[in-house]
Amino acid sequence: DAMVIQNPRYQVTQFGKPVTLSCSQTLNHNVMYWYQQKSSQAPKLLFHYYDKDFNNEADTPDNFQSRRPNTSFCFLDIRSPGLGDAAMYLCATSRGQENQPQHFGDGTRLSIL
Amino acid sequence: SQQGEEDPQALSIQEGENATMNCSYKTSINNLQWYRQNSGRGLVHLILIRSNEREKHSGRLRVTLDTSKKSSSLLITASRAADTASYFCATDLVMNSGYSTLTFGKGTMLLVSP
Repeated sequence: DAMVIQNPRYQVTQFGKPVTLSCSQTLNHNVMYWYQQKSSQAPKLLFHYYDKDFNNEADTPDNFQSRRPNTSFCFLDIRSPGLGDAAMYLCATSRGQENQPQHFGDGTRLSIL
Repeated sequence: SQQGEEDPQALSIQEGENATMNCSYKTSINNLQWYRQNSGRGLVHLILIRSNEREKHSGRLRVTLDTSKKSSSLLITASRAADTASYFCATDLVMNSGYSTLTFGKGTMLLVSP
């Protein structure tokens, strides 16, 4: 089945230690998104790509970066995680057109020690 | 901000009852979408309603949209324990390339008891 896959499902890192979260898709969608979702809150958009065209939301923290080496893969790098970065990170994809739904992975829950 | 605001924040009902969740938003939209999220999982798309539509159905789901009031509602009929989840509305923002980004509301947590 075509899907969005996030690895790992759970990630533990130390305060200040860089961490990379990964996302892959078999839907061949042009657009990929990264969201941060803290407990009992709405998902908050961090980045989005239309193919390789990268867009950074204005309030995304500077220590968050992203890479999309090809259509299928996208990575979220957190250079120096702080305690406030503990959250669920969700990857989503969509077709590059109006009025399209987004397809989500099951997320990576990041814990900071 | 375009963020949708859902109410109620939490809803507890018995199996077989109907559940209604409301969403209000602030700016004009191209479409409004509803998503469901089971605990610890990703979001699942339920329904997309375009700004020129007033009502849409999908199985036991009914969504209405009133653009004059900037509000939408999601009705789940004959609820089941498996409907227990958080439900989010999301409003779109169309980018220059033609795709959309979404701004999600805070969600309604629905608990359906057997």
